Amino acid sequence: NAGVMQNPRHLVRRRGQEARLRCSPMKGHSHVYWYRQLPEEGLKFMVYLQKENIIDESGMPKERFSAEFPKEGPSILRIQQVVRGDSAAYFCASSPGGADTQYFGPGTRLTVL
Amino acid sequence: EDQVTQSPEALRLQEGESSSLNCSYTVSGLRGLFWYRQDPGKGPEFLFTLYSAGEEKEKERLKATLTKKESFLHITAPKPEDSATYLCAVQASDYGQNFVFGPGTRLSVLP
Repeated sequence: NAGVMQNPRHLVRRRGQEARLRCSPMKGHSHVYWYRQLPEEGLKFMVYLQKENIIDESGMPKERFSAEFPKEGPSILRIQQVVRGDSAAYFCASSPGGADTQYFGPGTRLTVL
Repeated sequence: EDQVTQSPEALRLQEGESSSLNCSYTVSGLRGLFWYRQDPGKGPEFLFTLYSAGEEKEKERLKATLTKKESFLHITAPKPEDSATYLCAVQASDYGQNFVFGPGTRLSVLP
């Protein structure tokens, strides 16, 4: 019974490049959440998606960041033109419903040089 | 203005020395309060969900309780493997479906 999967686990990008982070939810889960954890800071909500729909993106920076959860395949968090301040751990969580416990993946650690 | 706070920020215990961690929240319409454990370099691992004041949940050496304004995570006779950061999160009508996390308590249990 596989848990939430994220890849890559580690990603290194130079300033100005694009970063693509992938998340496959647990089997049977149709709700996906993305969180960011900056060094020495807590987890901050970014975006909440269901299949083919963005439900809440109130925590997402207005520029350079986007997320999708297509009908087929993983959810993707995309960061365009990365800057050093984007260096962080990005976690994906999934739940079977919107008001249920969220289960987290191992995270993707993004380093921007 | 912090909506979810945790105390202490860090806690060092000797093996076998019981203690409690606190999570305080100021939200409207609490839907659930969640406790997670996070080890360095890993994702949060789910521990408990509490939905209403007076509710208690137990798992091995851990027991979580909930009041109208705070939750406690009691650790009885901890072992070194209990060392981790413990996070609480709330889901409330203020925030929609997402969780708001506290900053965590870093627990170290010394042998």
